[in-house]
Amino acid sequence: KAGVTQTPRYLIKTRGQQVTLSCSPISGHRSVSWYQQTPGQGLQFLFEYFSETQRNKGNFPGRFSGRQFSNSRSEMNVSTLELGDSALYLCASSLRGSGNTIYFGEGSWLTVV
Amino acid sequence: GESVGLHLPTLSVQEGDNSIINCAYSNSASDYFIWYKQESGKGPQFIIDIRSNMDKRQGQRVTVLLNKTVKHLSLQIAATQPGDSAVYFCAENSGANSKLTFGKGITLSVRP
Repeated sequence: KAGVTQTPRYLIKTRGQQVTLSCSPISGHRSVSWYQQTPGQGLQFLFEYFSETQRNKGNFPGRFSGRQFSNSRSEMNVSTLELGDSALYLCASSLRGSGNTIYFGEGSWLTVV
Repeated sequence: GESVGLHLPTLSVQEGDNSIINCAYSNSASDYFIWYKQESGKGPQFIIDIRSNMDKRQGQRVTVLLNKTVKHLSLQIAATQPGDSAVYFCAENSGANSKLTFGKGITLSVRP
């Protein structure tokens, strides 16, 4: 069974640009969450999608957005990139609800220059 | 590959010894807890989980202990191996959602 797949793995963007990251969850998983990981802030929750609807949102500005498609695949978008957005962006999938194991992908490394 | 969490506390153990990694959580309403291992350049890898109605759970070479009274979680790794060297995170979850709150992380370094 394939794991959580994220693309692209590495990318470099310029300040002011926007970026879209993609995530394919484990087959059968309908909950997809996104996290930002930086050395200073650690792992922080961005948002969760289930059945194409955003169910939870972390404390990030509106420049960070996402969506989920009917096949449970998800994308997140960051607009007007800032240097501080440089981070590892991680996608996780699970069967929704507390107590269901949450599996992570390998992440997308974003560098903003 | 790159690594994150460059300023984390470090636990250094001798190969073959047992390791104990501790974590304090903050939300008394959390009812599900997970330990993850993250190697350089990779995403967090699930190790073991425990629900709040349990105080101990064992896996292969790993044991998780939960003390809800003091909101403390620990991960014990038996016969630590060089391949166990990584950053370890505890995470907590509550409610009917999949949102995780992560601890700061601890770097485990195994001496040969």
